[in-house]
Amino acid sequence: RKEVEQDPGPFNVPEGATVAFNCTYSNSASQSFFWYRQDCRKEPKLLMSVYSSGNEDGRFTAQLNRASQYISLLIRDSKLSDSATYLCVVKSSGGSYIPTFGRGTSLIVHP
Amino acid sequence: DAGITQSPRHKVTETGTPVTLRCHQTENHRYMYWYRQDPGHGLRLIHYSYGVKDTDKGEVSDGYSVSRSKTEDFLLTLESATSSQTSVYFCAIEGTGGREQFFGPGTRLTVL
Repeated sequence: RKEVEQDPGPFNVPEGATVAFNCTYSNSASQSFFWYRQDCRKEPKLLMSVYSSGNEDGRFTAQLNRASQYISLLIRDSKLSDSATYLCVVKSSGGSYIPTFGRGTSLIVHP
Repeated sequence: DAGITQSPRHKVTETGTPVTLRCHQTENHRYMYWYRQDPGHGLRLIHYSYGVKDTDKGEVSDGYSVSRSKTEDFLLTLESATSSQTSVYFCAIEGTGGREQFFGPGTRLTVL
């Protein structure tokens, strides 16, 4: 079982739709969680960190469920420019600074 | 911008030749990383560094070596390039908070 798993999609949604992605992780010692966005042929860029209490940044909401070991990303009022691949990233405690990346979920927003 | 550059941005080389990719940062961060990204595999860690001359292997380190003689530079060397090393290579640094990473623009390497 891969340490961090994501549904690869693609998620194909119309503009204005709400879409949600989940990401599951296997290491219960994981401490830090992130969502990155990657555009085609570009580098991954940090979208948002995920805090235990959940956090929101405009149309984007991230949540953490430690009991079930998953994080989620909700995008409201989807824009064409939201089309990208969304990477889930998990870091564990214990002195290692090595993050584990999911393979990404592809989102296509169409007119 | 996190002040990370990679060079070259594109390279085509032949099987068996040595190749060195450079990552340069202007932020004086301690941790630096080299990843490769391939379809179906996502980002995979090759090597990382936690200080000058301090490096360690990642999950796909075979066929690669690294060096870090200065804080700002992290070099990735393919000793004898193979076609299986055709990939996009990303360098990353750890942010000031020691949590998130910031990536360079990538190097697209083709080994013929």
